[in-house]
Amino acid sequence: AQKVTQAQTEISVVEKEDVTLDCVYETRDTTYYLFWYKQPPSGELVFLIRRNSFDEQNEISGRYSWNFQKSTSSFNFTITASQVVDSAVYFCALSGLNYGGSQGNLIFGKGTKLSVKP
Amino acid sequence: DTGVSQDPRHKITKRGQNVTFRCDPISEHNRLYWYRQTLGQGPEFLTYFQNEAQLEKSRLLSDRFSAERPKGSFSTLEIQRTEQGDSAMYLCASSELAGLREQYFGPGTRLTVT
Repeated sequence: AQKVTQAQTEISVVEKEDVTLDCVYETRDTTYYLFWYKQPPSGELVFLIRRNSFDEQNEISGRYSWNFQKSTSSFNFTITASQVVDSAVYFCALSGLNYGGSQGNLIFGKGTKLSVKP
Repeated sequence: DTGVSQDPRHKITKRGQNVTFRCDPISEHNRLYWYRQTLGQGPEFLTYFQNEAQLEKSRLLSDRFSAERPKGSFSTLEIQRTEQGDSAMYLCASSELAGLREQYFGPGTRLTVT
């Protein structure tokens, strides 16, 4: 079965702090994709990043960076110098080709609610 | 492109009534997904279309739920004989055809069954 675990339910930081959101996944697929989405208070899910299982290079986009480690089945997300506008619920998601998601449906974690205080 | 749109944004209905939601995907996207999200949870997959064909349905999609995508454009999700447990946010997403592409989500329809 495919599963995504986001152990941190809520995190609260002060503006300009760095924060890392953890994501651990389980899958029997050899080819799979991992995603991060942001859900601000307005409610609409916003796509942040997609990473395939063969690409373990870390990625940086502005203040955002992602660390993918197949050895530990983790795909963690770091926000550097957090801002109040980063306050949202962040979801990690998994999609595989063979088990439980043959056509790309996403398996989401329960999300981590990030609050950035001024 | 205006992104994925959903209508209505909010729906309040009485138990036992039927409701129908509409989703308009990004125009060049062949794949369309429906998800359901309850408070404090991540979205859960309901069903998926590739063009007009419904290719996959979750166990969550009971017989009271039906979805269509006529002509491979917009999609509708109907819930018959609504129950209080159906109260949730219903999300629609679309993606390109090739591979396991990222999905772009609409704003959702929040259903409240009283």
